[in-house]
Amino acid sequence: EDQVTQSPEALRLQEGESSSLNCSYTVSGLRGLFWYRQDPGKGPEFLFTLYSAGEEKEKERLKATLTKKESFLHITAPKPEDSATYLCAVQEKSSASKIIFGSGTRLSIRP
Amino acid sequence: GAVVSQHPSRVICKSGTSVKIECRSLDFQATTMFWYRQFPKQSLMLMATSNEGSKATYEQGVEKDKFLINHASLTLSTLTVTSAHPEDSSFYICSATGQGASGFPDTQYFGPGTRLTVL
Repeated sequence: EDQVTQSPEALRLQEGESSSLNCSYTVSGLRGLFWYRQDPGKGPEFLFTLYSAGEEKEKERLKATLTKKESFLHITAPKPEDSATYLCAVQEKSSASKIIFGSGTRLSIRP
Repeated sequence: GAVVSQHPSRVICKSGTSVKIECRSLDFQATTMFWYRQFPKQSLMLMATSNEGSKATYEQGVEKDKFLINHASLTLSTLTVTSAHPEDSSFYICSATGQGASGFPDTQYFGPGTRLTVL
């Protein structure tokens, strides 16, 4: 059965304190892995799509990496406005666009 | 771009009434649209997948007669919650994939969500 596990469940950092969020996945064949940011009461905002092991994508203070079993979302020198829930989702090759979400990591950045 | 809108953003209704939520892709053609519901502090739960001009495919445990989905055009899908009850209160979010959506195939772009409260 396809599974997506995110850790930690919650993370509190001081402003400027870099860290990483983890997304471990189990699928029979990966078509794509997606990272989203969700603010309270809003829909998820697309961040990155990764397709193959070794791929990296960057956007401002965020960098996403992918291996055959997991993905990391690295956040460098975070600011309070980076506080949000970060969701990881995977799409299996045979799923015809359906994706499976992890439970998310609630990130809180203290000023 | 890849912008998806939803209307209304929040709705309060009485038990037993029906509520329609609209989801529109504003700058691309959405060949596939998805409907999710999300409970507080939980992740998104897929309810159904719809392709333009076809019947929706519902996930196990989702009542198709209660949650009516119509995907009549490449830019519009609607979710109707029929005979709503308090347990249907939730945050409903749609997403879309399709041609011209910022060049990332299969990436789902989400709407802002609709908060439904059934009294």
